[in-house]
Amino acid sequence: ETGVTQTPRHLVMGMTNKKSLKCEQHLGHNAMYWYKQSAKKPLELMFVYNFKEQTENNSVPSRFSPECPNSSHLFLHLHTLQPEDSALYLCASSQLAGDTDTQYFGPGTRLTVL
Amino acid sequence: GNSVTQMEGPVTLSEEAFLTINCTYTATGYPSLFWYVQYPGEGLQLLLKATKADDKGSNKGFEATYRKETTSFHLEKGSVQVSDSAVYFCAVSSGSARQLTFGSGTQLTVLP
Repeated sequence: ETGVTQTPRHLVMGMTNKKSLKCEQHLGHNAMYWYKQSAKKPLELMFVYNFKEQTENNSVPSRFSPECPNSSHLFLHLHTLQPEDSALYLCASSQLAGDTDTQYFGPGTRLTVL
Repeated sequence: GNSVTQMEGPVTLSEEAFLTINCTYTATGYPSLFWYVQYPGEGLQLLLKATKADDKGSNKGFEATYRKETTSFHLEKGSVQVSDSAVYFCAVSSGSARQLTFGSGTQLTVLP
């Protein structure tokens, strides 16, 4: 399989649940990203990982916890979420070399918090 | 920090009409500029990019020229198709982290 894959594609969870989103890239990239896309708002960058190290946390609440065990995999662990956290969560990856700063996106996980 | 101002939508056109979606940016250094497209139910796909002033990015009949003097990167297509219906995002990348800053997106609907 090629590109950036995300699982699950859809997730419904209660506010007391714990769940995880998974992202995998098959492009040999060194950087991975989590974005949140809410209706009628610009994409919000949440986290950035370069070579498995977190380099950016854009004031994201602690109920979102990222994990990057290697350069190909990225997780977003969710616990005690709020209804306003319902959104499309997008994962992306990029090479970080030369001018190849193009980010490649997965299809997203549509999250609904009840 | 960087910012992107994008033409507000929604935009509705008839098939074969000319398309322009305006995008202006503010950024430090020497940014790269991008247009991404998001089809219904999918993630973002890179449509085209330009990495230096006066470069023209092009793909699938879409074009955009990096205008440093006007800090703009307007998207154009001479003849749109129904299959071009999607949300279009302008983005800028700069700095050592090469992080993308996106515009708010423009919904395009093309009617047959």
